[in-house]
Amino acid sequence: AQSVSQHNHHVILSEAASLELGCNYSYGGTVNLFWYVQYPGQHLQLLLKYFSGDPLVKGIKGFEAEFIKSKFSFNLRKPSVQWSDTAEYFCAVTPNYGGATNKLIFGTGTLLAVQP
Amino acid sequence: ETGVTQTPRHLVMGMTNKKSLKCEQHLGHNAMYWYKQSAKKPLELMFVYNFKEQTENNSVPSRFSPECPNSSHLFLHLHTLQPEDSALYLCASSQEIAYEQYFGPGTRLTVT
Repeated sequence: AQSVSQHNHHVILSEAASLELGCNYSYGGTVNLFWYVQYPGQHLQLLLKYFSGDPLVKGIKGFEAEFIKSKFSFNLRKPSVQWSDTAEYFCAVTPNYGGATNKLIFGTGTLLAVQP
Repeated sequence: ETGVTQTPRHLVMGMTNKKSLKCEQHLGHNAMYWYKQSAKKPLELMFVYNFKEQTENNSVPSRFSPECPNSSHLFLHLHTLQPEDSALYLCASSQEIAYEQYFGPGTRLTVT
């Protein structure tokens, strides 16, 4: 079965530290890739997405992610985190093989706590 | 109002009650989704509707019954639920299947 793995369940960083959150998926075909963020008390929001083209995608709030097809990975990065980045981050994948039955498969999430 | 809205935001119900969750999207999207979010588990897709037609039922028990009267509205009818059904129920919509999804704030359901 298709799956998405986020290996870091809980990350604690100090402000200005660099961030990298891992995401690996198991589907071998063409995929659409997403990172969503859920700030405390708020709903899930799209951070960035990859459909095709440049494998390095930039999202909101200084986040970026790199799609490495050979590694089935889509890691999220930010050079310098802020206290306001404290949130839960979810990686998600949609196998893109056309038709009306594609579905978004989520990882278990990574809880990031940034200490001031 | 913009985005995806859900009502109620909180719901407490007994195991013999019947209740409904409502979702409305103001984005002109064609696909709508129900998800279940439980602690320490990945988001679980429950149902997918595309142009008002159900295209996915992810082995959801029949005590959950979805309804999609039009592309803007989605309901989840609940009856004879179990305590383990307590969770955050999220609605989402997307322009087309496989495109990015926009989520509502969720309904926090507690079954007593």
